[in-house]
Amino acid sequence: QKEVEQDPGPLSVPEGAIVSLNCTYSNSAFQYFMWYRQYSRKGPELLMYTYSSGNKEDGRFTAQVDKSSKYISLFIRDSQPSDSATYLCAMSLDNYGQNFVFGPGTRLSVLP
Amino acid sequence: GAGVSQSPSNKVTEKGKDVELRCDPISGHTALYWYRQSLGQGLEFLIYFQGNSAPDKSGLPSDRFSAERTGGSVSTLTIQRTQQEDSAVYLCASSHLPSGSYNEQFFGPGTRLTVL
Repeated sequence: QKEVEQDPGPLSVPEGAIVSLNCTYSNSAFQYFMWYRQYSRKGPELLMYTYSSGNKEDGRFTAQVDKSSKYISLFIRDSQPSDSATYLCAMSLDNYGQNFVFGPGTRLSVLP
Repeated sequence: GAGVSQSPSNKVTEKGKDVELRCDPISGHTALYWYRQSLGQGLEFLIYFQGNSAPDKSGLPSDRFSAERTGGSVSTLTIQRTQQEDSAVYLCASSHLPSGSYNEQFFGPGTRLTVL
């Protein structure tokens, strides 16, 4: 079993849809949970991070962590064609970058 | 302001050749990371530099891989005797590790390496 699992997609949705992206993990000691967005031929950029459990909202994006189920989600409301990208989840025991474990990413296409 | 830059953006080489990939981090960032991203795989950590400390090389897949960081700034990742399985996108990231705050890494656009 991989340490972090993520549905690779691709996922296609119509503009305006609510998108749900998910990751599961096996290491219950993870404390930091991140979502990155990666456009084609670009490096990943941090969208959101959450420490421990709970929800975090930033504009159209909501990150949710359920540590009891070892499951994290990213919700995108009112999706736009500009949201078309690959979304990577990442998690870590600590705040040291070399310990981040990344999922393989989900490719999302938002169709106008 | 300038972000993390990497060169070349694309590199095609023949099996057995050596390659050098360059990373220019954001000015003032003390931490620098190299990752490898293969198709369908998550980012794989390779090596980490922090200031003048000895680098964390725990992610390097073999002794054909090495990296150095000169003057606490520019870094070069070298792959000797390249193999076809080395084909991937090599990403560099930097951060400034503010105490008590989240360690946000800023990524470069990557170097796409193809080994024929």
